[in-house]
Amino acid sequence: QKEVEQDPGPLSVPEGAIVSLNCTYSNSAFQYFMWYRQYSRKGPELLMYTYSSGNKEDGRFTAQVDKSSKYISLFIRDSQPSDSATYLCAMSGGGTSYGKLTFGQGTILTVHP
Amino acid sequence: GAVVSQHPSRVICKSGTSVKIECRSLDFQATTMFWYRQFPKQSLMLMATSNEGSKATYEQGVEKDKFLINHASLTLSTLTVTSAHPEDSSFYICSARDRKGLYNSPLHFGNGTRLTVT
Repeated sequence: QKEVEQDPGPLSVPEGAIVSLNCTYSNSAFQYFMWYRQYSRKGPELLMYTYSSGNKEDGRFTAQVDKSSKYISLFIRDSQPSDSATYLCAMSGGGTSYGKLTFGQGTILTVHP
Repeated sequence: GAVVSQHPSRVICKSGTSVKIECRSLDFQATTMFWYRQFPKQSLMLMATSNEGSKATYEQGVEKDKFLINHASLTLSTLTVTSAHPEDSSFYICSARDRKGLYNSPLHFGNGTRLTVT
């Protein structure tokens, strides 16, 4: 079993839709959770960064973390064609991980006009 | 802020040659840089952790003699793929963390290097 599971999609939605992206994980030591967006042939770009359980909102993006269920989500409101990309969840924890990130497989999202 | 520059963005080389990839933090100092490899439609796989002034730490299964990492300064890390073979063709991405940040603060990524070995 992978430490981080993410549905690779692909996910296709119409412009303006609310998008829900999710990851589950098995390592209870994970405490820091991130969402990255990656356009084709580019490096990942940080979208959201959260610590422990709870919600965080930034513009059209909302990140949720439920540590009891080992489940994190990213919601995109009023989705735009420019949101079409691969979305990667990532997480890290304490102990000997020294801040190394463990990534999900990534979900390919297409927002069509 | 927090810009990571990676060069070259694309390189094609012949089998048996070596290729050097540079990763620079432009507006911050990075004690630690990470090198990842990504195959098409797959996630990022950590290859090694590069620490300024010390030897890199390689992940299991990554050949340290094949993927040479040098982190000579707080703003530059290099990855050299030695005696490259077609199976080394991949997308290599570096990332860095601001030394002023917590050890679990987010990583900032370069734009990657597409390596093709013919």
